[in-house]
Amino acid sequence: DQQVKQNSPSLSVQEGRISILNCDYTNSMFDYFLWYKKYPAEGPTFLISISSIKDKNEDGRFTVFLNKSAKHLSLHIVPSQPGDSAVYFCAASDGYSSASKIIFGSGTRLSIRP
Amino acid sequence: ETGVTQTPRHLVMGMTNKKSLKCEQHLGHNAMYWYKQSAKKPLELMFVYSLEERVENNSVPSRFSPECPNSSHLFLHLHTLQPEDSALYLCASSQDVGPRETQYFGPGTRLLVL
Repeated sequence: DQQVKQNSPSLSVQEGRISILNCDYTNSMFDYFLWYKKYPAEGPTFLISISSIKDKNEDGRFTVFLNKSAKHLSLHIVPSQPGDSAVYFCAASDGYSSASKIIFGSGTRLSIRP
Repeated sequence: ETGVTQTPRHLVMGMTNKKSLKCEQHLGHNAMYWYKQSAKKPLELMFVYSLEERVENNSVPSRFSPECPNSSHLFLHLHTLQPEDSALYLCASSQDVGPRETQYFGPGTRLLVL
């Protein structure tokens, strides 16, 4: 069973509007969360992260929100730009039981339409 | 060359073939990883190396054999693969092993087993 779930395989948003990508997790031991972005024919690249001691982390147009009680995090992109069209992976890690393992979701393909 | 490179980018092999995937990182990192990404599935961690020593092996079939001759190079030797092994194989590196370490990915090798 997947510990990190991205239930929307795809999302289409108009340029200039807000994109909201969602992620749910099941393991309450996860204490660090990341978002990666992947363009076709390239490897994933790190976008933004958040520690479980925070509920929000912002970096320019990208903000990640963490709701620990709901085991839910979301990535907000505002305003959305054409270059944001990519696959976005949510990931989580548990620093206590495994020093090296990051668990990835299956990804959400974001398309920004003009 | 900068970042993480992988060769070949595409590979087609028969079930009786032996082939190797190569990964090289030019970032001075100490940790390297192999991931498998099957269609519409999350990235699955296969192997982790720290300073050329394997630190994690995620119940990967023995037909996949990793090799890390030095901290800059990582190989994945393939033999007698099955069609279900067809996937995108991604290499990554990070400064050190740890749940907070940002991983830098290569572009991947897309493998097709016939």
